[in-house]
Amino acid sequence: DAGITQSPRHKVTETGTPVTLRCHQTENHRYMYWYRQDPGHGLRLIHYSYGVKDTDKGEVSDGYSVSRSKTEDFLLTLESATSSQTSVYFCAISDPVQGGTGYNEQFFGPGTRLTVL
Amino acid sequence: QKEVEQNSGPLSVPEGAIASLNCTYSDRGSQSFFWYRQYSGKSPELIMFIYSNGDKEDGRFTAQLNKASQYVSLLIRDSQPSDSATYLCAGFYTGRRALTFGSGTRLQVQP
Repeated sequence: DAGITQSPRHKVTETGTPVTLRCHQTENHRYMYWYRQDPGHGLRLIHYSYGVKDTDKGEVSDGYSVSRSKTEDFLLTLESATSSQTSVYFCAISDPVQGGTGYNEQFFGPGTRLTVL
Repeated sequence: QKEVEQNSGPLSVPEGAIASLNCTYSDRGSQSFFWYRQYSGKSPELIMFIYSNGDKEDGRFTAQLNKASQYVSLLIRDSQPSDSATYLCAGFYTGRRALTFGSGTRLQVQP
């Protein structure tokens, strides 16, 4: 994950406060993703981006918003944090091979551990 | 029903044995599958992917895909204690442009 950084790496916040997590990549990959990981649920997709200013919802998008104004940065915002959003958040990147071979390897950042009290 | 299913384990094998990890999927539209390894407290790291029926070998790892039966497996030969981790299976569905992950199988290799 040398080309992907996440900040902050750890955060403790209180219910009702806004929180923004940042993912930064130096690989110039087109696609970026936000996942959350919770015990028993594996990795669940929150939102993803397939280009600057192009984003789409994943399976657990309620309570989250994203923005991507530059290729290298993908922000995840919790407008009003709740205890149910306590989780480990992973950013991932990928760049599909041209020609539609059908594979799409994703590479993950180091993660952000968020605790909402 | 989740689209990608894995047994949560733990799967315990002795050092030097073959570990067999399995994954089933429900969407026949899936095109390719990925195996990730995740150590406790770390991020997932890609081991290998497979998109054709049959076997694909990479060192001690072999991925197997059977599209007719809708299952994917990962074999780890000569298992080492350092292989102890959670293994995540993921499927790629073109229409969604994103991977769908199983919940992972925890592997324990006993010295």
